Amino acid sequence: EAGVTQFPSHSVIEKGQTVTLRCDPISGHDNLYWYRRVMGKEIKFLLHFVKESKQDESGMPNNRFLAERTGGTYSTLKVQPAELEDSGVYFCASSQDRGTPGLETQYFGPGTRLLVL
Amino acid sequence: AQSVAQPEDQVNVAEGNPLTVKCTYSVSGNPYLFWYVQYPNRGLQFLLKYITGDNLVKGSYGFEAEFNKSQTSFHLKKPSALVSDSALYFCAVREGGTYKYIFGTGTRLKVLA
Repeated sequence: EAGVTQFPSHSVIEKGQTVTLRCDPISGHDNLYWYRRVMGKEIKFLLHFVKESKQDESGMPNNRFLAERTGGTYSTLKVQPAELEDSGVYFCASSQDRGTPGLETQYFGPGTRLLVL
Repeated sequence: AQSVAQPEDQVNVAEGNPLTVKCTYSVSGNPYLFWYVQYPNRGLQFLLKYITGDNLVKGSYGFEAEFNKSQTSFHLKKPSALVSDSALYFCAVREGGTYKYIFGTGTRLKVLA
């Protein structure tokens, strides 16, 4: 079974540019999550999709970040325009729906390392 | 506020010795606890979790973790460390009533040959 995949693995952009990150979850996983780790700090939750619906986007930093999951399959996270503080590693995770939060295990992708110069 | 603390930025241990990576948590309701490992240039890999039941949880690669409710801890352990265990370890707790995980800052484990 293929794991969670993310593209690109690395991205270096200039401040003010736009970047789009992609995540393909494990097949059959309705839940998809985005997290971010800024250098040396904890991994922080950004948002949670159930199929194509945003269930919780309380962790999104500001309106420069836009996440979509059209069709309930892969997801994209767009940063527009990018700022220096957006640099970090963006992780995607997916999980099956077990009905009760916490029973499922979130499986993470390799992350996208974003550097904004 | 719900939180996870990993008090050690780095842990060094000699190969063959037992290792412990510490984690304490603060959460409302029943804690659902997880350990993940990140090897160099790799993603987060799930190691083990505690939902309910036995306080000693066994996971991948010979790792185990002990849930201690009175000390609100979930320390990761391995009886005999391998050089290949060198990696970044993250403890996480599910935020009560939600699907989101709260992570610690990570502990870098270095196993010396």
